[in-house]
Amino acid sequence: NAGVTQTPKFQVLKTGQSMTLQCAQDMNHEYMSWYRQDPGMGLRLIHYSVGAGITDQGEVPNGYNVSRSTTEDFPLRLLSAAPSQTSVYFCASGNNSPLHFGNGTRLTVT
Amino acid sequence: GQQLNQSPQSMFIQEGEDVSMNCTSSSIFNTWLWYKQEPGEGPVLLIALYKAGELTSNGRLTAQFGITRKDSFLNISASIPSDVGIYFCAVSTSGTYKYIFGTGTRLKVLA
Repeated sequence: NAGVTQTPKFQVLKTGQSMTLQCAQDMNHEYMSWYRQDPGMGLRLIHYSVGAGITDQGEVPNGYNVSRSTTEDFPLRLLSAAPSQTSVYFCASGNNSPLHFGNGTRLTVT
Repeated sequence: GQQLNQSPQSMFIQEGEDVSMNCTSSSIFNTWLWYKQEPGEGPVLLIALYKAGELTSNGRLTAQFGITRKDSFLNISASIPSDVGIYFCAVSTSGTYKYIFGTGTRLKVLA
C-alpha cells in the first residue's frame, strides 16, 4: 500500500515549456486534489476532483489543467510554465476522511 | 478569500518545554485538522476535530476545537528534537473536501 505517489520529485523547466505532474493513489479514494506550497503562504488549492470524470477549480487554478479519467490518477498539467509557478506541489486524496498527502514535486521555472 | 491565521509564525524552544500554537478564522467551520510537515515530505495528519468544544489527545499532543467553531489550539508537551517541523491547521465545511490551510507555525527544538 503506497498511499499517494507523486512523480517526479524535482523538475526544472524553462519559461514556456509544458509538463505534467503525476499523482496516483492506491487507497480507492474518491476525492483528489492539488495544492501548491509557497513560503509564507501555506498550502493553496489549485484543482480538485470528487470522482472520475469530475473536476473543479480551487483557489489558484490559472495556468493549470487537470483531468480525472480513473479513480487512481489525477495529473496536473502546466501548458506554458511561468516563473510564478515555481513552487512545491502536493497531491492529496481522501474518502470521508482527512486528506492524505504525497511527498511533493519541487518545480523550478527559469 | 477565507483566511486562517496561525500564530506564532515560528518558535524556538528548548527540549523538554511545552509548546502552544493556535489558529483562528473569521468564519465558522465544522472540521478542524492539525498537520505536521517535516522537510522534504508532505503534511501528515496529527489530530482531527469534528465537534465544537472537543478536546483530543494523540500522545504528547492535545488539540481543542473552539466552542465558537472559529478557532483551535494545539499543545505539545515535553518537546523533543523530532518535534521539529511546520505545523499547519486546516478547516473545511461539512460535506466538502475543500480544505483551507493556515500559513503554518515553524517549530525548532534546541537540544
